[in-house]
Amino acid sequence: AQSVTQLDSHVSVSEGTPVLLRCNYSSSYSPSLFWYVQHPNKGLQLLLKYTSAATLVKGINGFEAEFKKSETSFHLTKPSAHMSDAAEYFCVVVDGGGTYKYIFGTGTRLKVLA
Amino acid sequence: DAGVTQSPTHLIKTRGQQVTLRCSPKSGHDTVSWYQQALGQGPQFIFQYYEEEERQRGNFPDRFSGHQFPNYSSELNVNALLLGDSALYLCASSLSHENQPQHFGDGTRLSIL
Repeated sequence: AQSVTQLDSHVSVSEGTPVLLRCNYSSSYSPSLFWYVQHPNKGLQLLLKYTSAATLVKGINGFEAEFKKSETSFHLTKPSAHMSDAAEYFCVVVDGGGTYKYIFGTGTRLKVLA
Repeated sequence: DAGVTQSPTHLIKTRGQQVTLRCSPKSGHDTVSWYQQALGQGPQFIFQYYEEEERQRGNFPDRFSGHQFPNYSSELNVNALLLGDSALYLCASSLSHENQPQHFGDGTRLSIL
């Protein structure tokens, strides 16, 4: 069965420093993977998606993620954090093989320090 | 171009009551999914509707039911409400292919007293 593990529940960085949010997945098929961001009392906004094309995926707001099949990882990075990046981030896996439901990780809360 | 819209934004009910939540998908989308997000948790998949049929269902009891209308809008119904049903309910729309990203509304905050 597919699953996703976000390795850190909380991450704190200083403004202007790099961001790394870690995600590992388990999938029976070639997966589709997504990162979403959720600001307080809001819905989820798509940051980026991997669907078996290029392994390095660029998203919005300077975020990118690299799909590593050998490590079953899909970590999210950003070179320089901004105060507005403070939010909850969710890694999502969708199996191939006709499964349509999203499986969410438990989320990583990113705190950006001035 | 309007995104996914949900109504109401907040709702307070008591145990045993029934509730209906509504969702209008993003223009051009034909598939609607519903999720339950408890406080401090990631969203949990309830079910997905396509062509007015429930296409896939998560691990939720039959008290949770839904409907999709010909204009692709959708309703989520929950009967016999329990305290544990208190959560943010999110609707997401997409095109029907499994690799298409889902676009989320801002949710309905349901509180059970």
